[in-house]
Amino acid sequence: NAGVTQTPKFQVLKTGQSMTLQCAQDMNHNSMYWYRQDPGMGLRLIYYSASEGTTDKGEVPNGYNVSRLNKREFSLRLESAAPSQTSVYFCASSEGVGTEAFFGQGTRLTVV
Amino acid sequence: GNSVTQMEGPVTLSEEAFLTINCTYTATGYPSLFWYVQYPGEGLQLLLKATKADDKGSNKGFEATYRKETTSFHLEKGSVQVSDSAVYFCALSGGYSSASKIIFGSGTRLSIRP
Repeated sequence: NAGVTQTPKFQVLKTGQSMTLQCAQDMNHNSMYWYRQDPGMGLRLIYYSASEGTTDKGEVPNGYNVSRLNKREFSLRLESAAPSQTSVYFCASSEGVGTEAFFGQGTRLTVV
Repeated sequence: GNSVTQMEGPVTLSEEAFLTINCTYTATGYPSLFWYVQYPGEGLQLLLKATKADDKGSNKGFEATYRKETTSFHLEKGSVQVSDSAVYFCALSGGYSSASKIIFGSGTRLSIRP
């Protein structure tokens, strides 16, 4: 029962480097999400995908891009990392409107 | 748009004390409401949920009732344990304007003293 799997778990980047965070779910869920969690703060939605083939901006999309590769996978890309993007990133999935989300274990990203 | 406001923390209680964490929401229509818990170093886990007015969600001794008239979904537990120390998030999904987005409150850190 893998649920939502995120890779990598930890990453250190230098300012200006790029990277892609991977997320896959095995629950046949329609919707997928990327959140960031900063110390002492709640979760802020970066991007979400209501269904395969669609993506929409959340509260804090600047500096990020996403790809819904297929129904299972939803990746988050940082094109040019900045120290302000140091955070813990969570991927989640749900069946759709009004249903609960299932979360991955998170990726702790540090940009130096 | 939809939003969730929850009680600021941190909250510190002694073991066996009564717990209330307040949560109110703003939404059009009839969203589903959730409480999630996050233990240190882990992702969020669903604690309980309610999908319509007057529903009561419950799990592991925690309860919350969906109150449409007061737009609230307060989390309660009659006797907390040290193992309940965690961060608790109130959240909503659905209603008329949010599509499939899940909106979270800012989280409340709970610490229980032995």
